[in-house]
Amino acid sequence: AQKITQTQPGMFVQEKEAVTLDCTYDTSDPSYGLFWYKQPSSGEMIFLIYQGSYDQQNATEGRYSLNFQKARKSANLVISASQLGDSAMYFCAMRTGTASKLTFGTGTRLQVTL
Amino acid sequence: NAGVTQTPKFQVLKTGQSMTLQCAQDMNHNSMYWYRQDPGMGLRLIYYSASEGTTDKGEVPNGYNVSRLNKREFSLRLESAAPSQTSVYFCASSDIDNAGANVLTFGAGSRLTVL
Repeated sequence: AQKITQTQPGMFVQEKEAVTLDCTYDTSDPSYGLFWYKQPSSGEMIFLIYQGSYDQQNATEGRYSLNFQKARKSANLVISASQLGDSAMYFCAMRTGTASKLTFGTGTRLQVTL
Repeated sequence: NAGVTQTPKFQVLKTGQSMTLQCAQDMNHNSMYWYRQDPGMGLRLIYYSASEGTTDKGEVPNGYNVSRLNKREFSLRLESAAPSQTSVYFCASSDIDNAGANVLTFGAGSRLTVL
């Protein structure tokens, strides 16, 4: 069975600094995808970034990058130059094999301070 | 482009009452999902429909039923609501894109309270 673990319930970062949100995963399927979603206080779920298990390079989307370390089964989200609007819950999720469904971690609440 | 629309946004029920959460997507996606979100537990999959005409149980299906009415619509029914079903419910839809990703697009959520 697949499992996603986010061990940081809450994180603080100062504005303009970079922050890393941790995510480890467990699956025996060689084909999988890893996702990060943002949930601001308004409640909607916003897709940020995707990494496929066969992708050779780490995914990047603007200020977001995914630090994919396959051997360690980690898929950490790096947010560069944090902004106040980055304050939100962040969820890591995984899809395995040909299944379409996602399994989510418990989330990390990020607070950006001045 | 509305994306995923779910109704109602808020609902208060008494224990034992029934209700249906409605979800519709206009992105021509094949797959649709119902998740529930509880504090400290992330999002947990209740039921999903990989394609029109199919439904499958997720992680927490007990107490729920679903109907994939057509490609656009996927409803979630609580036959006899219990306080443990107090939660925020999210509908989502997805399809495989050119990169092989299966990005879920979520509705705005429905907050359900069972007294």
